[in-house]
Amino acid sequence: EVQLVESGGGLVQPGGSLRLSCAASGFPFFNNWMTWVRQAPGKGLERVAYINEHGYETYHVDSVRGRFTISRDNAKNSLYLQMNSLRVEDTAMYYCVKGIGFFDAWGQGTLVTVSP
Amino acid sequence: EIVLTQSPGTLSLSPGERATLSCRASQSVTSNYLAWYQQKPGQAPRLLIYDAFTRATVIPDRFSGSGSGADFTLTISRLEPEDFALYYCQQYASSPMTFGQGTRLEIK
Repeated sequence: EVQLVESGGGLVQPGGSLRLSCAASGFPFFNNWMTWVRQAPGKGLERVAYINEHGYETYHVDSVRGRFTISRDNAKNSLYLQMNSLRVEDTAMYYCVKGIGFFDAWGQGTLVTVSP
Repeated sequence: EIVLTQSPGTLSLSPGERATLSCRASQSVTSNYLAWYQQKPGQAPRLLIYDAFTRATVIPDRFSGSGSGADFTLTISRLEPEDFALYYCQQYASSPMTFGQGTRLEIK
């Protein structure tokens, strides 16, 4: 069974940092592109970043580029999102998702709240 | 960027009825790279349909996807109580990948 378990969310002040982690199991993590998708409270879905199987190719949406960094450790079956210079508008549930096109497996999400 | 517009915003129906949800793209979605997701309160989205009409694993056959080009439809043939939720479409044909704003399916 595919499992994606996020951690690392929490309450942080504007300008602060957080590092989200995602532990993957039940599928060949090393062979899959991975994505972070976020959902602000009561809002729709937004792809934040993705990374290829080996970590050499990444993409970050314009609104987070230069502040967030996606990475992975295939030896640990783990995906990460380093979030710096956080803004109030980054407040959202962050989901770790398998894939790059359509997404057939989602974690339960980790909530990031940016507030003074 | 392809903008996806879902309609209606809210659909009120009764169990046993047929639901038809629309997703219209601002330009053609090549290769019919369109997916549908269901999201219930407090839960992550769940993939229902990909490549416009292929059902994902363990999705009941009352869910079906259709359409091509810029117009796509998700049909739920006979609503069960557990089907009342939020539904999103997503295109992955063109970068950046985009989601629609969602259709809320509520019990009438």
